[in-house]
Amino acid sequence: KNEVEQSPQNLTAQEGEFITINCSYSVGISALHWLQQHPGGGIVSLFMLSSGKKKHGRLIATINIQEKHSSLHITASHPRDSAVYICAGNTGNQFYFGTGTSLTVIP
Amino acid sequence: ETGVTQTPRHLVMGMTNKKSLKCEQHLGHNAMYWYKQSAKKPLELMFVYNFKEQTENNSVPSRFSPECPNSSHLFLHLHTLQPEDSALYLCASSPWVAGYNEQFFGPGTRLTVL
Repeated sequence: KNEVEQSPQNLTAQEGEFITINCSYSVGISALHWLQQHPGGGIVSLFMLSSGKKKHGRLIATINIQEKHSSLHITASHPRDSAVYICAGNTGNQFYFGTGTSLTVIP
Repeated sequence: ETGVTQTPRHLVMGMTNKKSLKCEQHLGHNAMYWYKQSAKKPLELMFVYNFKEQTENNSVPSRFSPECPNSSHLFLHLHTLQPEDSALYLCASSPWVAGYNEQFFGPGTRLTVL
């Protein structure tokens, strides 16, 4: 069993829908990361958080330390949001990655 | 532009070849990382360098040999690879803050071993 589990693995949404991707982890971490990977491979760091909630534009990330759970929300989804979203936790050099959630937003 | 570049972007090699992947960062970071990404698997951390010193080697086969001549450059030397080594190899860098490292990724090198 992976130390970081994401759900769902695949997600298809209509443009404009509110999207939630979930991440649960079973190890102690200092920070939780949400990454976005577009076709072609490049990975972009969206959020790094250790508590509470962060918001960038239409993206919101939350974390519940006690429950070892984080969510990534996308409001008013758009086809350009189509990508793989990866959850990762780290303590120092040690990183634990989820397998990713593949999101497709249909116009 | 993430500030982390990787070359080449695509590489096809035979099992007897020797090749090198290059990573360069212009962000002033102290730590650099090599990751392997295979289909349907989580990212696998291969090597970590902090201030040019290797701090992590996650049981990577010796056919992968990293080199970090300075804080801005990282190489991955490849020799006698196997077809199962075909994957996307990603480089990343981060400032070195204990326990709290935001990583910046390069675009990756898509490696195919024939």
